[in-house]
Amino acid sequence: EAGVTQFPSHSVIEKGQTVTLRCDPISGHDNLYWYRRVMGKEIKFLLHFVKESKQDESGMPNNRFLAERTGGTYSTLKVQPAELEDSGVYFCASSQVSGRGGYTFGSGTRLTVV
Amino acid sequence: AQSVTQLGSHVSVSEGALVLLRCNYSSSVPPYLFWYVQYPNQGLQLLLKYTSAATLVKGINGFEAEFKKSETSFHLTKPSAHMSDAAEYFCAVSPMDSSYKLIFGSGTRLLVRP
Repeated sequence: EAGVTQFPSHSVIEKGQTVTLRCDPISGHDNLYWYRRVMGKEIKFLLHFVKESKQDESGMPNNRFLAERTGGTYSTLKVQPAELEDSGVYFCASSQVSGRGGYTFGSGTRLTVV
Repeated sequence: AQSVTQLGSHVSVSEGALVLLRCNYSSSVPPYLFWYVQYPNQGLQLLLKYTSAATLVKGINGFEAEFKKSETSFHLTKPSAHMSDAAEYFCAVSPMDSSYKLIFGSGTRLLVRP
């Protein structure tokens, strides 16, 4: 079984540019989550999809961030325009059932905004 | 709001020595608790989880953790460290009111000396 795959693994962009991160969950996993770790701090929840619907996006920092999951398969997280404080590692995770952790995480995308 | 505190951002042990990574949580109701590990250039991997079935939880790679309600702790231990245990370890809690979320501690990097 393939794991959760994230693209790209690294991205360096200039302030003001746009970046799109992609996450391919494990096939059949309806639940998809985005998390972010900034500057060696805690890993923080961004949002939760069930299929193509956003169940909770309370962790999204601001309206420069847009997450989509068209068709309930892969998901994208777009940052537009990127700011310096957006630098960090963005993790995606998926699960068959929602709740109680035990999710499968991807390797993350390291985003650097310069 | 629930929180997780990991004491010590870095812990260094000698190979063969006891590993003890500390985690305390804040919650009036015992939540579900987890330990994740991140090896270099890899994603987060679930080590073990507490789901109220037993207070001593055994995980992969010889790790175990004990839930102590009176101390609101969930410390991770391993009797004998191996070089391959060098990684970053994260304690996390799943809140009762939003069980799909994980709230992470700030992580502890384990260094194993030869």
